[in-house]
Amino acid sequence: GNSVTQMEGPVTLSEEAFLTINCTYTATGYPSLFWYVQYPGEGLQLLLKATKADDKGSNKGFEATYRKETTSFHLEKGSVQVSDSAVYFCALSSGAAGNKLTFGGGTRVLVKP
Amino acid sequence: DARVTQTPRHKVTEMGQEVTMRCQPILGHNTVFWYRQTMMQGLELLAYFRNRAPLDDSGMPKDRFSAEMPDATLATLKIQPSEPRDSAVYFCASGLPSTGRYEQYFGPGTRLTVT
Repeated sequence: GNSVTQMEGPVTLSEEAFLTINCTYTATGYPSLFWYVQYPGEGLQLLLKATKADDKGSNKGFEATYRKETTSFHLEKGSVQVSDSAVYFCALSSGAAGNKLTFGGGTRVLVKP
Repeated sequence: DARVTQTPRHKVTEMGQEVTMRCQPILGHNTVFWYRQTMMQGLELLAYFRNRAPLDDSGMPKDRFSAEMPDATLATLKIQPSEPRDSAVYFCASGLPSTGRYEQYFGPGTRLTVT
Protein backbone atom coordinates (compact mmCIF):
# COMPACT_ATOMS: atom_id res chain seq x y z
CA GLY A 1 0.00 0.00 0.00
CA ASN A 2 0.86 3.66 -0.06
CA SER A 3 2.90 5.24 2.71
CA VAL A 4 4.70 8.49 3.47
CA THR A 5 7.59 8.89 5.87
CA GLN A 6 8.81 12.26 7.00
CA MET A 7 11.36 13.33 9.53
CA GLU A 8 10.15 13.69 13.05
CA GLY A 9 10.32 17.02 14.75
CA PRO A 10 10.42 19.32 16.31
CA VAL A 11 12.84 21.18 14.12
CA THR A 12 14.07 24.35 15.80
CA LEU A 13 15.75 27.02 13.72
CA SER A 14 16.83 30.61 13.96
CA GLU A 15 15.30 33.21 11.68
CA GLU A 16 16.93 33.32 8.22
CA ALA A 17 18.25 29.77 8.56
CA PHE A 18 17.86 27.15 5.82
CA LEU A 19 15.08 24.63 6.29
CA THR A 20 14.90 21.10 4.93
CA ILE A 21 12.21 18.58 5.81
CA ASN A 22 12.77 15.14 4.35
CA CYS A 23 9.92 13.14 2.88
CA THR A 24 10.03 9.75 1.20
CA TYR A 25 7.15 7.72 -0.11
CA THR A 26 6.05 4.29 -1.24
CA ALA A 27 3.31 4.10 -3.82
CA THR A 28 2.06 2.18 -6.79
CA GLY A 29 1.94 3.94 -10.12
CA TYR A 30 2.72 7.62 -10.45
CA PRO A 31 1.37 9.53 -7.47
CA SER A 32 0.85 13.25 -7.11
CA LEU A 33 2.81 14.69 -4.18
CA PHE A 34 1.86 17.49 -1.83
CA TRP A 35 3.08 19.53 1.07
CA TYR A 36 0.49 20.92 3.46
CA VAL A 37 1.09 23.38 6.27
CA GLN A 38 -0.92 23.72 9.47
CA TYR A 39 -0.58 26.90 11.51
CA PRO A 40 -1.61 26.80 15.17
CA GLY A 41 -5.37 26.52 15.59
CA GLU A 42 -6.05 26.23 11.86
CA GLY A 43 -6.78 23.59 9.25
CA LEU A 44 -4.29 22.21 6.77
CA GLN A 45 -3.45 24.46 3.83
CA LEU A 46 -2.02 23.26 0.56
CA LEU A 47 1.50 24.69 0.34
CA LEU A 48 2.70 23.20 -2.94
CA LYS A 49 2.36 20.19 -5.17
CA ALA A 50 4.02 18.22 -7.99
CA THR A 51 2.26 15.82 -10.28
CA LYS A 52 5.05 14.08 -12.20
CA ALA A 53 8.70 13.17 -11.92
CA ASP A 54 11.16 16.09 -11.89
CA ASP A 55 8.39 18.63 -11.36
CA LYS A 56 9.25 21.33 -8.86
CA GLY A 57 6.48 22.78 -6.75
CA SER A 58 7.01 26.19 -5.18
CA ASN A 59 5.10 28.68 -3.08
CA LYS A 60 5.91 31.34 -0.48
CA GLY A 61 9.64 30.68 -0.84
CA PHE A 62 9.24 26.94 -0.28
CA GLU A 63 10.28 24.41 -2.91
CA ALA A 64 10.11 20.66 -3.37
CA THR A 65 11.18 18.50 -6.31
CA TYR A 66 9.51 15.21 -7.22
CA ARG A 67 12.35 12.67 -7.35
CA LYS A 68 11.10 9.38 -8.66
CA GLU A 69 14.49 7.68 -8.55
CA THR A 70 14.80 8.28 -4.82
CA THR A 71 11.03 8.34 -4.13
CA SER A 72 11.47 11.62 -2.30
CA PHE A 73 9.83 15.03 -2.11
CA HIS A 74 11.93 17.06 0.34
CA LEU A 75 10.71 20.51 1.34
CA GLU A 76 13.21 23.40 1.42
CA LYS A 77 13.23 27.07 2.18
CA GLY A 78 16.31 29.21 1.98
CA SER A 79 15.54 31.74 4.71
CA VAL A 80 12.82 31.01 7.25
CA GLN A 81 10.82 33.55 9.19
CA VAL A 82 9.14 33.32 12.56
CA SER A 83 5.83 33.19 10.69
CA ASP A 84 6.90 29.85 9.13
CA SER A 85 6.50 28.17 12.51
CA ALA A 86 3.93 25.47 11.85
CA VAL A 87 3.45 21.75 11.30
CA TYR A 88 4.28 20.53 7.79
CA PHE A 89 2.71 17.41 6.28
CA CYS A 90 3.91 15.52 3.23
CA ALA A 91 1.18 13.62 1.36
CA LEU A 92 0.53 11.64 -1.79
CA SER A 93 -2.41 10.70 -3.92
CA SER A 94 -2.17 7.73 -6.20
CA GLY A 95 -5.37 8.70 -7.91
CA ALA A 96 -6.63 5.15 -7.68
CA ALA A 97 -9.16 6.04 -5.02
CA GLY A 98 -10.31 9.38 -6.27
CA ASN A 99 -8.22 11.89 -4.41
CA LYS A 100 -7.76 9.99 -1.20
CA LEU A 101 -4.54 11.28 0.40
CA THR A 102 -1.93 9.38 2.37
CA PHE A 103 -0.25 11.68 4.90
CA GLY A 104 3.06 11.55 6.70
CA GLY A 105 3.08 12.07 10.43
CA GLY A 106 3.87 15.78 10.24
CA THR A 107 6.95 17.75 11.23
CA ARG A 108 6.70 20.61 13.68
CA VAL A 109 8.95 23.55 12.83
CA LEU A 110 9.73 26.30 15.33
CA VAL A 111 11.56 29.39 14.11
CA LYS A 112 13.04 31.58 16.80
CA PRO A 113 13.82 35.28 16.33
CA ASP B 1 -12.14 33.05 -2.30
CA ALA B 2 -13.83 29.64 -2.05
CA ARG B 3 -13.39 27.89 1.27
CA VAL B 4 -14.63 24.89 3.15
CA THR B 5 -16.66 25.96 6.16
CA GLN B 6 -17.32 23.99 9.32
CA THR B 7 -19.65 24.54 12.24
CA PRO B 8 -19.39 24.73 15.13
CA ARG B 9 -15.75 25.74 15.54
CA HIS B 10 -15.75 24.61 19.16
CA LYS B 11 -17.99 22.22 21.04
CA VAL B 12 -17.89 21.16 24.65
CA THR B 13 -20.30 18.46 25.67
CA GLU B 14 -20.82 15.86 28.34
CA MET B 15 -20.26 12.19 27.85
CA GLY B 16 -23.32 10.48 26.42
CA GLN B 17 -24.61 13.48 24.52
CA GLU B 18 -25.11 13.57 20.77
CA VAL B 19 -22.74 15.74 18.76
CA THR B 20 -23.36 16.91 15.20
CA MET B 21 -20.67 18.59 13.14
CA ARG B 22 -21.42 20.22 9.81
CA CYS B 23 -19.36 20.95 6.76
CA GLN B 24 -20.04 22.96 3.64
CA PRO B 25 -17.65 21.87 0.87
CA ILE B 26 -16.39 24.23 -1.78
CA LEU B 27 -19.14 24.76 -4.33
CA GLY B 28 -18.75 22.29 -7.19
CA HIS B 29 -16.47 19.88 -5.35
CA ASN B 30 -17.82 16.33 -5.48
CA THR B 31 -15.62 14.55 -2.94
CA VAL B 32 -15.80 15.21 0.79
CA PHE B 33 -13.54 13.81 3.50
CA TRP B 34 -13.80 13.68 7.29
CA TYR B 35 -10.60 13.53 9.34
CA ARG B 36 -9.85 13.42 13.04
CA GLN B 37 -6.66 14.86 14.51
CA THR B 38 -5.27 14.09 17.94
CA MET B 39 -1.84 14.43 19.47
CA MET B 40 -1.54 10.71 19.97
CA GLN B 41 -2.88 9.40 16.66
CA GLY B 42 -2.17 12.30 14.36
CA LEU B 43 -4.40 12.77 11.34
CA GLU B 44 -6.85 9.92 10.67
CA LEU B 45 -9.25 9.55 7.77
CA LEU B 46 -12.69 8.66 9.08
CA ALA B 47 -14.83 8.59 5.94
CA TYR B 48 -15.21 10.02 2.49
CA PHE B 49 -17.89 10.61 -0.10
CA ARG B 50 -18.05 11.07 -3.82
CA ASN B 51 -21.15 12.57 -5.39
CA ARG B 52 -22.79 12.26 -1.95
CA ALA B 53 -22.32 8.46 -1.84
CA PRO B 54 -20.10 7.02 0.88
CA LEU B 55 -17.01 5.39 -0.60
CA ASP B 56 -15.15 4.38 2.50
CA ASP B 57 -16.01 4.71 6.16
CA SER B 58 -13.66 2.04 7.46
CA GLY B 59 -11.84 4.54 9.66
CA MET B 60 -14.95 5.35 11.61
CA PRO B 61 -16.17 3.60 14.78
CA LYS B 62 -19.44 2.22 13.41
CA ASP B 63 -21.26 1.83 16.66
CA ARG B 64 -21.30 5.53 17.52
CA PHE B 65 -20.26 7.53 14.47
CA SER B 66 -22.26 8.23 11.35
CA ALA B 67 -21.56 10.42 8.34
CA GLU B 68 -24.00 11.63 5.71
CA MET B 69 -24.39 14.07 2.88
CA PRO B 70 -28.03 15.21 2.83
CA ASP B 71 -27.23 17.33 -0.22
CA ALA B 72 -24.24 18.45 -2.23
CA THR B 73 -23.67 21.49 -0.05
CA LEU B 74 -23.79 19.81 3.35
CA ALA B 75 -21.91 16.97 5.02
CA THR B 76 -22.57 15.92 8.59
CA LEU B 77 -20.68 13.84 11.12
CA LYS B 78 -22.57 12.64 14.16
CA ILE B 79 -21.38 10.99 17.32
CA GLN B 80 -23.98 9.31 19.52
CA PRO B 81 -23.26 8.74 22.34
CA SER B 82 -20.08 10.78 22.70
CA GLU B 83 -17.22 9.62 24.91
CA PRO B 84 -14.18 11.45 26.31
CA ARG B 85 -11.91 9.60 23.89
CA ASP B 86 -13.72 11.34 21.02
CA SER B 87 -12.13 14.62 22.08
CA ALA B 88 -10.19 15.79 19.03
CA VAL B 89 -10.23 18.27 16.18
CA TYR B 90 -12.43 17.11 13.32
CA PHE B 91 -11.63 18.39 9.84
CA CYS B 92 -13.65 18.31 6.69
CA ALA B 93 -11.98 18.58 3.29
CA SER B 94 -13.27 18.68 -0.27
CA GLY B 95 -11.87 18.14 -3.74
CA LEU B 96 -12.65 17.62 -7.41
CA PRO B 97 -10.51 14.74 -8.73
CA SER B 98 -12.35 14.53 -12.03
CA THR B 99 -10.28 17.51 -13.13
CA GLY B 100 -7.10 15.51 -12.57
CA ARG B 101 -6.27 17.65 -9.56
CA TYR B 102 -6.00 15.49 -6.48
CA GLU B 103 -5.43 18.06 -3.77
CA GLN B 104 -7.91 18.49 -0.96
CA TYR B 105 -9.00 21.74 0.62
CA PHE B 106 -9.48 21.69 4.37
CA GLY B 107 -11.89 23.54 6.59
CA PRO B 108 -10.83 25.20 9.86
CA GLY B 109 -11.97 22.25 11.95
CA THR B 110 -14.32 21.62 14.88
CA ARG B 111 -12.56 21.26 18.20
CA LEU B 112 -14.59 18.79 20.25
CA THR B 113 -14.16 18.33 23.98
CA VAL B 114 -16.15 15.60 25.69
CA THR B 115 -16.12 15.75 29.48
